[in-house]
Amino acid sequence: GENVEQHPSTLSVQEGDSAVIKCTYSDSASNYFPWYKQELGKRPQLIIDIRSNVGEKKDQRIAVTLNKTAKHFSLHITETQPEDSAVYFCAANNAGNMLTFGGGTRLMVKP
Amino acid sequence: EAGVAQSPRYKIIEKRQSVAFWCNPISGHATLYWYQQILGQGPKLLIQFQNNGVVDDSQLPKDRFSAERLKGVDSTLKIQPAKLEDSAVYLCASSLEDLAFFGQGTRLTVV
Repeated sequence: GENVEQHPSTLSVQEGDSAVIKCTYSDSASNYFPWYKQELGKRPQLIIDIRSNVGEKKDQRIAVTLNKTAKHFSLHITETQPEDSAVYFCAANNAGNMLTFGGGTRLMVKP
Repeated sequence: EAGVAQSPRYKIIEKRQSVAFWCNPISGHATLYWYQQILGQGPKLLIQFQNNGVVDDSQLPKDRFSAERLKGVDSTLKIQPAKLEDSAVYLCASSLEDLAFFGQGTRLTVV
C-alpha cells in the first residue's frame, strides 16, 4: 500500500519568513496530493491540492510543487503570519481514492 | 453548503464498554471515510465506503470495530469492546471524486 513520509515534524519560523514542508510517497500510481491544515481541536481543512498532470500550483501565499519522478511533493508558505501556526498534513491517494496521510508538521510562526 | 456532520463531539467510556459514532456526509457525496487520529499523528484510514458498499476496510480492527452505511448516506462506526488504545479522534470525511472534506470529529477517551 501507499506510504507517505513527511518532514520536518516541527518547524519554527519568524513571521515573514518562508516555510517549506516536504513529503515523499511510495505508490507511483498516486495522482492526487492534497495538503490539509489542522488547528488545535479542529478538523483538517484542505488548503491546496495538486494533481499529477501539473508540476506546481499557487494560491496567494501558498504553493505546492510535485516531482513525480522522484515521488516527492512540497508545500511552500511565503510571508508567514502567526495565523499560519497549525499542524499541516500531506496526503496521497491510491487507485481507490483512499488518502494516506503523512505524520504531520507542526508549524510555529513567531511574531 | 452544509459540511460533514458528526456526533457526538466528545465521549468518555470505560474500557470494555461499547460506543457508536454517527456521520452525515455532504449531500451527494458518494464516498465516505472513517479515520482514526491518535494525538500527535496523522489521520489513519479505517474504512472507505462507496455508496453503501465497502471499498477498503483492510485497516479496520474487525474483532472490535464495525461500520455500516446501510442506505448509502449516513454511517455509523462502532467499537465493542473498547480498549485504552482506542482513545483518539474519529474523523469522518466525504468526497465526490478525490476532494475530501472532514467533519469535526468525535474525541473518544477510554478510561
